[in-house]
Amino acid sequence: SAVISQKPSRDICQRGTSLTIQCQVDSQVTMMFWYRQQPGQSLTLIATANQGSEATYESGFVIDKFPISRPNLTFSTLTVSNMSPEDSSIYLCSATDRGTDTQYFGPGTRLTVL
Amino acid sequence: QKEVEQDPGPLSVPEGAIVSLNCTYSNSAFQYFMWYRQYSRKGPELLMYTYSSGNKEDGRFTAQVDKSSKYISLFIRDSQPSDSATYLCAMRVYRDDKIIFGKGTRLHILP
Repeated sequence: SAVISQKPSRDICQRGTSLTIQCQVDSQVTMMFWYRQQPGQSLTLIATANQGSEATYESGFVIDKFPISRPNLTFSTLTVSNMSPEDSSIYLCSATDRGTDTQYFGPGTRLTVL
Repeated sequence: QKEVEQDPGPLSVPEGAIVSLNCTYSNSAFQYFMWYRQYSRKGPELLMYTYSSGNKEDGRFTAQVDKSSKYISLFIRDSQPSDSATYLCAMRVYRDDKIIFGKGTRLHILP
């Protein structure tokens, strides 16, 4: 199974600033995704990170607010821009294992915006 | 109607009991079904992954899929306090499709 790490694990940020979250997978994967999980809620897909091209965003999420990069098959970043307290959430990276076609998750980044 | 319905709980059962967790869904095109376990302050961990109707067993865990009723279940035998977590059902249509998650059921196993 793919092992996924995220940095930072948590952060407390001021309103109006931006935070970039890094996701590293220990093997080459076909697809990488970014999710948001608000307290007591399920996972909401933000976007699919496409290698070498622009990310595919879900309804309600836009590139200006959540720019995503995926420069290679094992690494992606998500930036939360111009943050407000409503952005306080857990942000999760996930990847589809090429061999088993199953989706694995990183440990998450817990973001608090003051 | 939401695509995937899951009772959020919490569900409290005594240690050693059999736990039954369930989800219903509306999209008959779903073909791939998963159960994830999420401990507090951790990312979801894949527990079970099934494709066909019927049962799939892995240790103390059994995943059951009934496509005719659009109903999936996860059974945990001989439940342990370490099984206390949130369990999320998930499903998708195609192998490379996005996954639709249930809201998750919070489970407490009482020692």
